Amino acid sequence: GQNIDQPTEMTATEGAIVQINCTYQTSGFNGLFWYQQHAGEAPTFLSYNVLDGLEEKGRFSSFLSRSKGYSYLLLKELQMKDSASYLCAGGYGQNFVFGPGTRLSVLP
Amino acid sequence: DTAVSQTPKYLVTQMGNDKSIKCEQNLGHDTMYWYKQDSKKFLKIMFSYNNKELIINETVPNRFSPKSPDKAHLNLHINSLELGDSAVYFCASSQRDISYEQYFGPGTRLTVT
Repeated sequence: GQNIDQPTEMTATEGAIVQINCTYQTSGFNGLFWYQQHAGEAPTFLSYNVLDGLEEKGRFSSFLSRSKGYSYLLLKELQMKDSASYLCAGGYGQNFVFGPGTRLSVLP
Repeated sequence: DTAVSQTPKYLVTQMGNDKSIKCEQNLGHDTMYWYKQDSKKFLKIMFSYNNKELIINETVPNRFSPKSPDKAHLNLHINSLELGDSAVYFCASSQRDISYEQYFGPGTRLTVT
């Protein structure tokens, strides 16, 4: 299968920086997505990485290393509204696999 | 205007019943998907449709059948509902295939009693 792993829970303080890691199987891999899901709501798209390197989009950045099967989502200047689950997802051919999600709690 | 809509939002039914969940997207996207999110919040793809062709069919029970009358609609029909079918079902769409951003509907919370 296409195992995707990420930490279950993380906690950070408002205004801080947090990095959420994701590892995935490299065989057949196309690209890596990050989605945000607030409790009781639908997932919303954050980023898509195909090539190695860092993609920056406002307070959020996403990094990919294809050779290492590794990605991270970096959230800067954390706000209370960033408390949510962050889902790492990989494209494998015509298949699409989500990781278990990382529930981030931002404390005042 | 809602991009991806689902009905109903909540569905409570008894074991053994047959039910359908409807999904519509007004984005002009080519591909639509159905996902199941269980109680542990694990989001798993069930089906995707591209131009009326099923291109992904995960190992879901054949009690689940997707039906796409046109490019803008992908409905999910479930026969002989079981307790384990209780979950939140999300519909989504993307412009082309899975390498494109997916837009999710609000979800349908199915409870089987």
